[in-house]
Amino acid sequence: AQSVTQPDIHITVSEGASLELRCNYSYGATPYLFWYVQSPGQGLQLLLKYFSGDTLVQGIKGFEAEFKRSQSSFNLRKPSVHWSDAAEYFCAVGHLSSNTGKLIFGQGTTLQVKP
Amino acid sequence: KAGVTQTPRYLIKTRGQQVTLSCSPISGHRSVSWYQQTPGQGLQFLFEYFSETQRNKGNFPGRFSGRQFSNSRSEMNVSTLELGDSALYLCASSQGLGTDTQYFGPGTRLTVL
Repeated sequence: AQSVTQPDIHITVSEGASLELRCNYSYGATPYLFWYVQSPGQGLQLLLKYFSGDTLVQGIKGFEAEFKRSQSSFNLRKPSVHWSDAAEYFCAVGHLSSNTGKLIFGQGTTLQVKP
Repeated sequence: KAGVTQTPRYLIKTRGQQVTLSCSPISGHRSVSWYQQTPGQGLQFLFEYFSETQRNKGNFPGRFSGRQFSNSRSEMNVSTLELGDSALYLCASSQGLGTDTQYFGPGTRLTVL
């Protein structure tokens, strides 16, 4: 079955520290992968996406993610976290070779930033 | 360009009632998808529309339905509301299907009492 796992439900980091949010997927076909962020009371904003090519993807707000096929992972990273990064982060997978935009989301990771 | 808009933003209903939620996609976008977000189940796919045709449907009971109009605006309807239908309903639009990026609206918060 297709699934996305975000092992960390909640993460707390200090402002200025580095961040890595984990995402593992299980998908039979060639996936395409996304990271979205959701602030309280808001919809989802796309941070970055991966379809093919360079496995290190740059996104908005200084985020990047690395696709590792051998580990079925797509971890999100940021070298220095800002207080405004506190939000919930969702990893999602779609079906690259199918004509549908349906996304399967992980359960999300809530990021808290300490001053 | 204006983003995806959803109306209303908040709704309170009682069990057994029905509700209609509306989504206006970004101008030029022809695909609209709906997702339900709850604390327990997370984000779950409801359905996807493209050019007024339902292309994909998630694993939800028949009480959940939707449609898309010729101007790409979409509505979803939930009949015979249950307490468990309380959720944030998110709409996303994209230019086409497949790998086109989906842009999400702010959602409609439905509370069923």
